[in-house]
Amino acid sequence: DAGVIQSPRHEVTEMGQEVTLRCKPISGHNSLFWYRQTMMRGLELLIYFNNNVPIDDSGMPEDRFSAKMPNASFSTLKIQPSEPRDSAVYFCASSWDRRAPLHFGNGTRLTVT
Amino acid sequence: KNEVEQSPQNLTAQEGEFITINCSYSVGISALHWLQQHPGGGIVSLFMLSSGKKKHGRLIATINIQEKHSSLHITASHPRDSAVYICAVNTDKLIFGTGTRLQVFP
Repeated sequence: DAGVIQSPRHEVTEMGQEVTLRCKPISGHNSLFWYRQTMMRGLELLIYFNNNVPIDDSGMPEDRFSAKMPNASFSTLKIQPSEPRDSAVYFCASSWDRRAPLHFGNGTRLTVT
Repeated sequence: KNEVEQSPQNLTAQEGEFITINCSYSVGISALHWLQQHPGGGIVSLFMLSSGKKKHGRLIATINIQEKHSSLHITASHPRDSAVYICAVNTDKLIFGTGTRLQVFP
């Protein structure tokens, strides 16, 4: 299995632009998580999907952030408009159950200038 | 106070040393994870445990539910073990510790 695949690996954009991060979970996993990692706050859960349905989005910072999972093999995290404080590494992870071991993607390093 | 506390924050060791990283938590949990993050940034799940002890190669993880404490041990440490080790607990969501940065020198 190729593991969790995230794209792009790096994204540099200007403030105000729309940013879309993509994730392909491991086939057969029904739980998908988006995390954000910063130096100041460490790893934080943004949103969790189970069977493509958003279950917990309490970690989504504000309305500028949105996430979708249109099918079991694809999810997006969108930031519109982006701000410099959104600069971070965004990780996607999947598991066969929310309480099972997580498999992380390699992350997307976002820089907003 | 953070719900998940790790110690130490930074740790240096000589190759071959026995290493212990500690994690204490203050909430009720269903399981605890130990994760490893290499300098390249990728995160790997090392262990998930809810009781007792697990061993994988030179790595051992223990948990004491009553004391709300877990330890990660590395025996015969090696420079390739240099990484950030992160403890995370399952409540209704995953709560992460701030990580322990380990450097093992030859």
